Amino acid sequence: DQQVKQNSPSLSVQEGRISILNCDYTNSMFDYFLWYKKYPAEGPTFLISISSIKDKNEDGRFTVFLNKSAKHLSLHIVPSQPGDSAVYFCAAQLRGSTLGRLYFGRGTQLTVWP
Amino acid sequence: KAGVTQTPRYLIKTRGQQVTLSCSPISGHRSVSWYQQTPGQGLQFLFEYFSETQRNKGNFPGRFSGRQFSNSRSEMNVSTLELGDSALYLCASSLAGRSLTFFGQGTRLTVV
Repeated sequence: DQQVKQNSPSLSVQEGRISILNCDYTNSMFDYFLWYKKYPAEGPTFLISISSIKDKNEDGRFTVFLNKSAKHLSLHIVPSQPGDSAVYFCAAQLRGSTLGRLYFGRGTQLTVWP
Repeated sequence: KAGVTQTPRYLIKTRGQQVTLSCSPISGHRSVSWYQQTPGQGLQFLFEYFSETQRNKGNFPGRFSGRQFSNSRSEMNVSTLELGDSALYLCASSLAGRSLTFFGQGTRLTVV
């Protein structure tokens, strides 16, 4: 049962434009959300996160938006660069848990072309 | 500061064999988790260890097991390998359960 869903397996964007990656979740007990970026033959690296008490978090070119009522979050990358080409994973953690388990989506392959 | 180190990076095994993968967490990190990544399946949680105790386990058969040592290093073992066990196995560490999680580069296991 996939509790975190990334329904777009791939996204192709021109350099300089905005990339929007989407993520939906079904478990209302999630209270912390993260985005990881993964290049081939490397482990995932942390990109940005957001707590459920916020609806937006920015870090440079990356912004994550959270819509709790829709159980939806999105990652915006502006402007997109060719080096951003990677697989992006959305992940969530459970409220009230001291455990570190992350629930992951299946990932979206972002390709930024010149 | 060294990151999460996994050994070996690549491994080829035959069906029915067993395999042990190793993970050294970031210095000072006491929580270690393991994930399996297969094509199109995202990262599936295997188990989490903290202070040598397994605190959480994912939905995998008993052929998958793990342990954590007093220095926080961890190993996972897969017995009676099946073709479907071919995957990238990722180890992750954090200071404690809910703090930021860092991943190693993974061990690519191929079962033939």
